[in-house]
Amino acid sequence: GAVVSQHPSWVICKSGTSVKIECRSLDFQATTMFWYRQFPKQSLMLMATSNEGSKATYEQGVEKDKFLINHASLTLSTLTVTSAHPEDSSFYICSAFRTHGNTIYFGEGSWLTVV
Amino acid sequence: QKEVEQDPGPLSVPEGAIVSLNCTYSNSAFQYFMWYRQYSRKGPELLMYTYSSGNKEDGRFTAQVDKSSKYISLFIRDSQPSDSATYLCAMRNTGTASKLTFGTGTRLQVTL
Repeated sequence: GAVVSQHPSWVICKSGTSVKIECRSLDFQATTMFWYRQFPKQSLMLMATSNEGSKATYEQGVEKDKFLINHASLTLSTLTVTSAHPEDSSFYICSAFRTHGNTIYFGEGSWLTVV
Repeated sequence: QKEVEQDPGPLSVPEGAIVSLNCTYSNSAFQYFMWYRQYSRKGPELLMYTYSSGNKEDGRFTAQVDKSSKYISLFIRDSQPSDSATYLCAMRNTGTASKLTFGTGTRLQVTL
């Protein structure tokens, strides 16, 4: 079964509004989570690394004020797309690092459509 | 040159065939090697995980890592239509929770 849960699976929002996506590790504590964006028929593009209790580390070219990441607990990280625009429409995926086994598991992804 | 090279395919094989998927990489610091399967419109699912060089088998899947050649492989035996998906190789170094570097993914189609 899934070890990382992502919610919502899909969301439609109006241009200019903000939308929050949640990523939860279900049966383990994840001090580190990762947020990706994926365009059709392309590989995953890392947006940021989320560390529990500290600020996220953003990849070059990713606007930290637009993509707000909060990792307030050991099982939950959130990505908020602020003032969303149609070009932000994409598939967003989170992953979580599980210390036991030294492995990284992915969530099911969230489809965001901005209209 | 990309850190991880993977043929994007598509690769089409008949049901029952043995499938070989491969990646090459340039960063000798990579120590952890993974294969993920991604169905259309879904998140990647971890298939195989290998530390350093060697082979690992799990059911119909076998992962091989040759660090001297910087080459990793995933073999799928008795392929099924349900194996049709994109297969992503991924790797990372030894840093705690260090980020993954992905190949572009290979699209596999198993036909009846």
